[in-house]
Amino acid sequence: DTAVSQTPKYLVTQMGNDKSIKCEQNLGHDTMYWYKQDSKKFLKIMFSYNNKELIINETVPNRFSPKSPDKAHLNLHINSLELGDSAVYFCASSHDRDPFSNTEAFFGQGTRLTVV
Amino acid sequence: AQTVTQSQPEMSVQEAETVTLSCTYDTSESDYYLFWYKQPPSRQMILVIRQEAYKQQNATENRFSVNFQKAAKSFSLKISDSQLGDAAMYFCAYRRGRGAQKLVFGQGTRLTINP
Repeated sequence: DTAVSQTPKYLVTQMGNDKSIKCEQNLGHDTMYWYKQDSKKFLKIMFSYNNKELIINETVPNRFSPKSPDKAHLNLHINSLELGDSAVYFCASSHDRDPFSNTEAFFGQGTRLTVV
Repeated sequence: AQTVTQSQPEMSVQEAETVTLSCTYDTSESDYYLFWYKQPPSRQMILVIRQEAYKQQNATENRFSVNFQKAAKSFSLKISDSQLGDAAMYFCAYRRGRGAQKLVFGQGTRLTINP
């Protein structure tokens, strides 16, 4: 009965490789997000999709490309990985269609990406 | 742009005592939400409490309560009867109201509970 699930939980890869992180939510939410948590624990938004449409793109390098095949999935593909990409990546979802609905985001368990 | 500031990188408290974590934010919006999230060593982000800006009453959730001072743009979290399981990173977060909006996080406060 996992609400927001990400795979994999851990990812170790070499510089220059291409990798993907998958995210799925079963909450019926219409908005999904990717956040990055750096080594100092700072969390920052990367992307947001609402009903498969890109809403937010926060000056993320073009090597990062989100893909939303449907409302319940938001995957993150990273090309040509660099050492600085090492971080924890969180997927999240929220329900924003109804202006009076609860607006908190539900987070996945995070993917720790290590680039060596 | 909205900013969120947590001025206490680390806090510690004795088990069963009360601790308050500080958070200030900056916004020109009138419609927004504030949150406290907990991140234990498991890495999972867990919502602790939520406050709607239009509500004057401070939110409470069992041992957790907030002191929301809208004019001062302050949103502190009070944890009463601290338990060992409360040990975690705590993040204050802001989001604008309505629609698909991002969360803006503070830097986090690491809370240690001393037995």
